[in-house]
Amino acid sequence: DQQVKQNSPSLSVQEGRISILNCDYTNSMFDYFLWYKKYPAEGPTFLISISSIKDKNEDGRFTVFLNKSAKHLSLHIVPSQPGDSAVYFCAASVAGGTSYGKLTFGQGTILTVHP
Amino acid sequence: NAGVTQTPKFRILKIGQSMTLQCAQDMNHNYMYWYRQDPGMGLKLIYYSVGAGITDKGEVPNGYNVSRSTTEDFPLRLELAAPSQTSVYFCASSRGTVYEQFFGPGTRLTVL
Repeated sequence: DQQVKQNSPSLSVQEGRISILNCDYTNSMFDYFLWYKKYPAEGPTFLISISSIKDKNEDGRFTVFLNKSAKHLSLHIVPSQPGDSAVYFCAASVAGGTSYGKLTFGQGTILTVHP
Repeated sequence: NAGVTQTPKFRILKIGQSMTLQCAQDMNHNYMYWYRQDPGMGLKLIYYSVGAGITDKGEVPNGYNVSRSTTEDFPLRLELAAPSQTSVYFCASSRGTVYEQFFGPGTRLTVL
């Protein structure tokens, strides 16, 4: 049972345009969401997170939107740059209780930004 | 500040062999995690630790063991390697449950 899903395996955009990466989840207990970026032969690096008490969080060119009723979040990158080309993972956790920060990851979306 | 380090980077094992994947962090994080990533898939949690001497199973623990004798180190032991354990293994650490996890560069393991 895949609790976090990224239904688009890949996305291709032109430099300077907006990239929108999507993520759906099924576990209503999830209350903390993160996006990670991964280059080949490297470990994932943290991009941005959002708590379930918010519906939007911004950090520079990156904005994450959370729609709790739809159990959907998205990552917007504006403007997209060729250096943003990587695999993007959505992850979710239950922040409190005995979850101990365990993350459940989506399958990843390969973003390619063309010059 | 090296962050999270993992050794080795690559390893080829024969079926039935054993090995230990090393992980160390220098950020004084209490929480540490081991994940595996199979091709085209997301990362799956193998084991985690909330402090020295405290470990617990994640989603896919079978065939693995861990120990945590110090805050810094969290080795992952593979006993009787099987082809199904061919994967990329990532270690991560965090200072708490609502903080991001920092990942090491990974160990690519092939079992033949």
